Amino acid sequence: EAGVAQSPRYKIIEKRQSVAFWCNPISGHATLYWYQQILGQGPKLLIQFQNNGVVDDSQLPKDRFSAERLKGVDSTLKIQPAKLEDSAVYLCASSLVGGTGIPEAFFGQGTRLTVV
Amino acid sequence: KQEVTQIPAALSVPEGENLVLNCSFTDSAIYNLQWFRQDPGKGLTSLLLIQSSQREQTSGRLNASLDKSSGRSTLYIAASQPGDSATYLCAVKRNYGQNFVFGPGTRLSVLP
Repeated sequence: EAGVAQSPRYKIIEKRQSVAFWCNPISGHATLYWYQQILGQGPKLLIQFQNNGVVDDSQLPKDRFSAERLKGVDSTLKIQPAKLEDSAVYLCASSLVGGTGIPEAFFGQGTRLTVV
Repeated sequence: KQEVTQIPAALSVPEGENLVLNCSFTDSAIYNLQWFRQDPGKGLTSLLLIQSSQREQTSGRLNASLDKSSGRSTLYIAASQPGDSATYLCAVKRNYGQNFVFGPGTRLSVLP
């Protein structure tokens, strides 16, 4: 079974530039999460999708961050414009919802963003 | 609002020791709790998931317990090895369709 795929693995940009991250969840997983992990801290949820609908985006800085999940599969997360404090690892995760499946979360390798 | 803490923040032990990592959460109304491992520069690897109706789960040298009423979970690692060196994170989910709330992690170093 293929895991959660993310790209790029690393990105360095200057402040005020824009950047986009891509995530392909495990096939059949209806729930997709984007987390932000600042160095030395646990991941913090940015947005949760159920199929292509948003379940929770209460902690997403909507003035600069946006995310979409077209057709309920792949997802992109965009930052525009980036700030220095956005330097972090951006993790995508997916989990199964429905039926008798236990909603265990599976994470991708993450994208390490450095804003200079 | 659910808050998750982990003690200790860092731990260094000699190879072969048994050790316990602690996770506490403020709201005992959880759906499940999941333990993850994170290697430097990598994503999270799921270790064990405990449903709210369960008391413990075991996988190899790992055993995780859950005491919902006291808001605690422990991850027991038997006969530690240098390859166990990583950051260990616990995360709780309140309801079936909701997201995970993470603790800050425990950074473990197992010395050869």
